[in-house]
Amino acid sequence: QLQLQQSGSRLVKPSQTLSLTCAVSGDSISSGGYSWSWFRQPPGKGLEWVGYMYHGGSTYYNPSLKSRVTVSVDTSKNLFSLNMTSVTAADTAVYYCARDGSRGGTYFFDYWGQGTLVTVSS
Amino acid sequence: SYVLTQPPSVSVAPGQTARITCGGKNIGSKSVHWYQQKPGQAPVVVVYDDSDRPSGIPERFSGSNSGNTATLAINRVEAGDEADYYCQVWDSTSDVVFGGGTKLTVL
Repeated sequence: QLQLQQSGSRLVKPSQTLSLTCAVSGDSISSGGYSWSWFRQPPGKGLEWVGYMYHGGSTYYNPSLKSRVTVSVDTSKNLFSLNMTSVTAADTAVYYCARDGSRGGTYFFDYWGQGTLVTVSS
Repeated sequence: SYVLTQPPSVSVAPGQTARITCGGKNIGSKSVHWYQQKPGQAPVVVVYDDSDRPSGIPERFSGSNSGNTATLAINRVEAGDEADYYCQVWDSTSDVVFGGGTKLTVL
């Protein structure tokens, strides 16, 4: 059974960098042609796609966040990461990692991490 | 950018059928996925590719998609179905897009 376990900083100061990791267990992150994604959900609001890394190494980002976001994969540790620079209070949200179960076909997300509430505050 | 529109809330009595709509321009030409999210939990996909169900999802959950509207139907609604439901598509110009979500209340 695939599992995604998130970790990272839960409190980030304004203008600093948010860093989260998502450790994958139950399968190799580099097998199967899957892409690995990040989402976020501000308190009381809906889901927002942040970005993903396609299995071939290409990355795709939400245009509204593109200048501040990096998604990367570490195959040696079987995990993928999110870095978001220059954060503000508007970046306060629960962040989720997830796997694209369609392998780049129709892009649905079948396995999710537990979520991490990241608060941006001084 | 591509926009998906959902009603903010739907209410239904136990045992009845709940229908949650997701509107989008020519959405019938896209593959629509539906997620259930309970408070404090990660989303769970309940229908993908318009009408397919992942293993473990009850047959009570079904989906359809045509024209400008996709619909998630939940038959014989139970108290445990109370949750937020999101539709989602992939669009060539907007990439991954979610609807605003619908809160299902079981009366």
